[in-house]
Amino acid sequence: QVHLVQSGAEVKKPGASVTVSCKTSGYTFTVYALHWLRQAPGQGLEWMGRINTDNGRATYAQMFQGRVTMTRDTSISTAYMELTTLTSADTAVYYCVGSLKVPAPSRAFDFWGQGTLLTVSS
Amino acid sequence: DIVLTQSPLSLSVTPGEPASVSCRSNQSLLHSDGHNYLDWYLQKPGQSPQLLVYLGSNRASGVPDRFSGSGSGTDFTLKISRVEAEDVGVYYCMQALQIPPVTFGQGTRLEIK
Repeated sequence: QVHLVQSGAEVKKPGASVTVSCKTSGYTFTVYALHWLRQAPGQGLEWMGRINTDNGRATYAQMFQGRVTMTRDTSISTAYMELTTLTSADTAVYYCVGSLKVPAPSRAFDFWGQGTLLTVSS
Repeated sequence: DIVLTQSPLSLSVTPGEPASVSCRSNQSLLHSDGHNYLDWYLQKPGQSPQLLVYLGSNRASGVPDRFSGSGSGTDFTLKISRVEAEDVGVYYCMQALQIPPVTFGQGTRLEIK
């Protein structure tokens, strides 16, 4: 059974950095890319980027370039998303998601982590 | 970036009645492989979004057959044939034709009358 389990809620001060983890199980980690999305309170969904879990290559949305780093540790089937220079605008729920069992060639996100709430406040 | 525009932004529906959400793209989502890279999601209150329909018209595993997706190119529709109380939440369309970035519609909130 596929699971994406994210790390717990975080409270950070402006200017700080945060790392959110996504522990996967139930499938071969390096076969499928993982994406990161976020959702500000009461707002819609925003794509941040994705990481190819086989070679570690990441692609980021332009608005996060320079502030986000996505990495993975294949030995523990876990992906990470680091966001730096936090502001209150980064307060959101962060999701790791994957296209893991949806039939090809679909790129739809059929598996979602439970979400990690990041609160940025002084 | 591809922009998706949903309408309406909110719906209030009597149980048993149909409902429909539109998603329009500013660019065609039809790939040369013949598939439309447009998906639909439902985010129930307090939950992570869940996939309903992929590639425009394919119901995801476990999704009730009262949900159907249609459309091609730039115009897409999600229909619920008979709304049930458990269908409450926010519906999003998403395009994965051009990555980066993946983009989403603004969301359509469905409530029960």
